[in-house]
Amino acid sequence: DGGITQSPKYLFRKEGQNVTLSCEQNLNHDAMYWYRQDPGQGLRLIYYSQIVNDFQKGDIAEGYSVSREKKESFPLTVTSAQKNPTAFYLCASSIDATQGNQPQHFGDGTRLSIL
Amino acid sequence: GQQLNQSPQSMFIQEGEDVSMNCTSSSIFNTWLWYKQDPGEGPVLLIALYKAGELTSNGRLTAQFGITRKDSFLNISASIPSDVGIYFCAGQSFTGTASKLTFGTGTRLQVTL
Repeated sequence: DGGITQSPKYLFRKEGQNVTLSCEQNLNHDAMYWYRQDPGQGLRLIYYSQIVNDFQKGDIAEGYSVSREKKESFPLTVTSAQKNPTAFYLCASSIDATQGNQPQHFGDGTRLSIL
Repeated sequence: GQQLNQSPQSMFIQEGEDVSMNCTSSSIFNTWLWYKQDPGEGPVLLIALYKAGELTSNGRLTAQFGITRKDSFLNISASIPSDVGIYFCAGQSFTGTASKLTFGTGTRLQVTL
């Protein structure tokens, strides 16, 4: 089936540790996005990528890093510099970020908690 | 970053009732999207609106793109238990090099039998 796969579903991080969240899509979409969701709030953009080997900071990029070495993959690393990492992380993709009217479709998320 | 004003924050309704929620913004958007999120899952796209004034239906759902391009509403008719969840609006803006979404804070819908 075509779609966006995020793994793991649940992740625990120790203090001072970096962790990496996986996002894979087989939709042949050019653009991919990472969002953070906190309880009672909407989604906030962390990073996005329009094309392989290119990515841009979103509204809350501090303490996070990404890479886009392959079209289908956009992993997010939550670094030790992110002091409040506990949240629900959502990955999304769209056909082409340069076309204004392409809706984003989401994976099922990874819930990150601090030990 | 900006978040859209979405209301109501939550609502309890009886099965069979109609529901209405809306989003407003101080900024103009090119596209309005409405998503539904079930607990522990990602948002699922319900309706996309591409033109100011556009009124679009998807089954029991109807949404409109405001004429000013700064607001949108979503109506659900004859609600059923599976309508329970959180509904998000999102405004899409295009900067010329990238398309970005700004989300509302969500409307939590709970249906009583």
